[in-house]
Amino acid sequence: GAGVSQSPRYKVAKRGQDVALRCDPISGHVSLFWYQQALGQGPEFLTYFQNEAQLDKSGLPSDRFFAERPEGSVSTLKIQRTQQEDSAVYLCASSLARGRNTEAFFGQGTRLTVV
Amino acid sequence: DAKTTQPPSMDCAEGRAANLPCNHSTISGNEYVYWYRQIHSQGPQYIIHGLKNNETNEMASLIITEDRKSSTLILPHATLRDTAVYYCIVRAIRLTFGEGTQLTVNP
Repeated sequence: GAGVSQSPRYKVAKRGQDVALRCDPISGHVSLFWYQQALGQGPEFLTYFQNEAQLDKSGLPSDRFFAERPEGSVSTLKIQRTQQEDSAVYLCASSLARGRNTEAFFGQGTRLTVV
Repeated sequence: DAKTTQPPSMDCAEGRAANLPCNHSTISGNEYVYWYRQIHSQGPQYIIHGLKNNETNEMASLIITEDRKSSTLILPHATLRDTAVYYCIVRAIRLTFGEGTQLTVNP
């Protein structure tokens, strides 16, 4: 498809388990963003890539969260030793360029439930 | 990133125009105003954006005041499918979402 694709759509993890969430951005899009959305809240910024470079990771809540985009295309958000407060929808967005005048397109998200 | 203020909820009759206000009094000169909406269980959907001129596309119109401290998103003929949370965002590099406005379109 032509949109941002995220997988899996749903993930149930036992507390303490590691998870990996995948984002396939729109082909050719330079910028990639990860967001976390708790139930009933707006999306919260986690991290931002321009090509393979992670330029901003100020929103990552702890060192258990790690994101990578090694070839400047697909990105993976990894959460180690998951905890119940990590339960949320994780959204990925991509945009064609870095500037402010470029819309970002979001995927459907991955709903993570930690039990 | 500049902060935005939106009413928490609004109602609109089907077929009428929906006018969603947003205050962004601390916006910087090179920051754009973006609008997204989110329908339950879906990712945010881009609607429109602008810098200082009014903008229109197939989905909506964006009216930005001359001092750029506020804006209004207009859905000219609201339908039931427009029921969603609407986010007004002042964009630096990243998009910083607030609480948004829950728009309910009633039949």
